[in-house]
Amino acid sequence: EPEVTQTPSHQVTQMGQEVILRCVPISNHLYFYWYRQILGQKVEFLVSFYNNEISEKSEIFDDQFSVERPDGSNFTLKIRSTKLEDSAMYFCASSEGWQGISEQYFGPGTRLTVT
Amino acid sequence: SQQGEEDPQALSIQEGENATMNCSYKTSINNLQWYRQNSGRGLVHLILIRSNEREKHSGRLRVTLDTSKKSSSLLITASRAADTASYFCATDADYGQNFVFGPGTRLSVLP
Repeated sequence: EPEVTQTPSHQVTQMGQEVILRCVPISNHLYFYWYRQILGQKVEFLVSFYNNEISEKSEIFDDQFSVERPDGSNFTLKIRSTKLEDSAMYFCASSEGWQGISEQYFGPGTRLTVT
Repeated sequence: SQQGEEDPQALSIQEGENATMNCSYKTSINNLQWYRQNSGRGLVHLILIRSNEREKHSGRLRVTLDTSKKSSSLLITASRAADTASYFCATDADYGQNFVFGPGTRLSVLP
């Protein structure tokens, strides 16, 4: 069964460093998403991406964040200058169609630890 | 106030019993989805129920949706220890693509 994959599974970085989290969505999916989950808290929407552009973003997704689909398979989340409060699990998801009609399938997550 | 809210926050039952978790939301929706998350792991999609559907089944899972009350329930029948996890409902708000998760119900199934 196709699945969303994410790398790395765990990333440790120092405050102020740039990190890139990588995701490979399911191949025939057209909509891509990033979410984060701070330890013990609920999953929060960051951004959705369709047709090579951001469809919607939350207040969390400020200028420090960017997303890119550099080729036909990868979908990346970049944090330019990490802060301690960016420590969280980051989940990538994809869906075949618009989320109003389609299931979102999530990757296993990348645990980001900012020290 | 939050779009998706599950209750109870935590539920502890014996193996073989049924577990019912509820979700309430505030705005109109196109669909509501239930996910499971094992501790420290990713989210597993369980069921999507559309706003024009009232009930849906998948194996031991039964989901209902009452749009007049803006609520949904997830029933797990004949629970197993492996069902121990957090369960989240998530809704897409009718007005946009922002997909909102509730805080989840932590289910513990005791052997």
